[in-house]
Amino acid sequence: EAQVTQNPRYLITVTGKKLTVTCSQNMNHEYMSWYRQDPGLGLRQIYYSMNVEVTDKGDVPEGYKVSRKEKRNFPLILESPSPNQTSLYFCASSLDRSRTEAFFGQGTRLTVV
Amino acid sequence: EDKVVQSPLSLVVHEGDTVTLNCSYEVTNFRSLLWYKQEKKAPTFLFMLTSSGIEKKSGRLSSILDKKELFSILNITATQTGDSAVYLCALFKAAGNKLTFGGGTRVLVKP
Repeated sequence: EAQVTQNPRYLITVTGKKLTVTCSQNMNHEYMSWYRQDPGLGLRQIYYSMNVEVTDKGDVPEGYKVSRKEKRNFPLILESPSPNQTSLYFCASSLDRSRTEAFFGQGTRLTVV
Repeated sequence: EDKVVQSPLSLVVHEGDTVTLNCSYEVTNFRSLLWYKQEKKAPTFLFMLTSSGIEKKSGRLSSILDKKELFSILNITATQTGDSAVYLCALFKAAGNKLTFGGGTRVLVKP
């Protein structure tokens, strides 16, 4: 089954403790991205990647890192999480930059206390 | 700054009603406008619109884009309780390869 898989689905952590949210897609998609969704602000892009080893900042990259060492995986790293990073996070992928109908993962609800 | 505004914020209808959702934008040089449906989890893709004035249909859902007046509408006819969701509009720009989302419209369909 074609899908985008995120882990974990729920995470509660403390300020400053490094964490990684994993994202994996099995569709051989080139383009992957991370979004956060907050009430009243909608979905905002954090980082995106057009292919292996090619990543770039989205609208709200501060406090986040990503890597794209292999095509299927695009982890989101929070080196020192803060409470303002409490949010619902989505990973998305699409075939390539011209195919804009992105497929979304199931979401990761992160709470930083 | 690119802006995508959806209206209304939320609405409640009864089964069988028709709903019309609006997406207005202030975005230059975008490649496509997309509609997504978000229930309790991930957004799922509904439509992609690239040309003005051409209606896209899928069952009871339809959508059209007006590039002159800078808006798109999503219509749902003969609504069912399963249509209850947040509907998201987004614009894709090739420059920056990003989707800019509106805040969404929450639709509740009552039996």
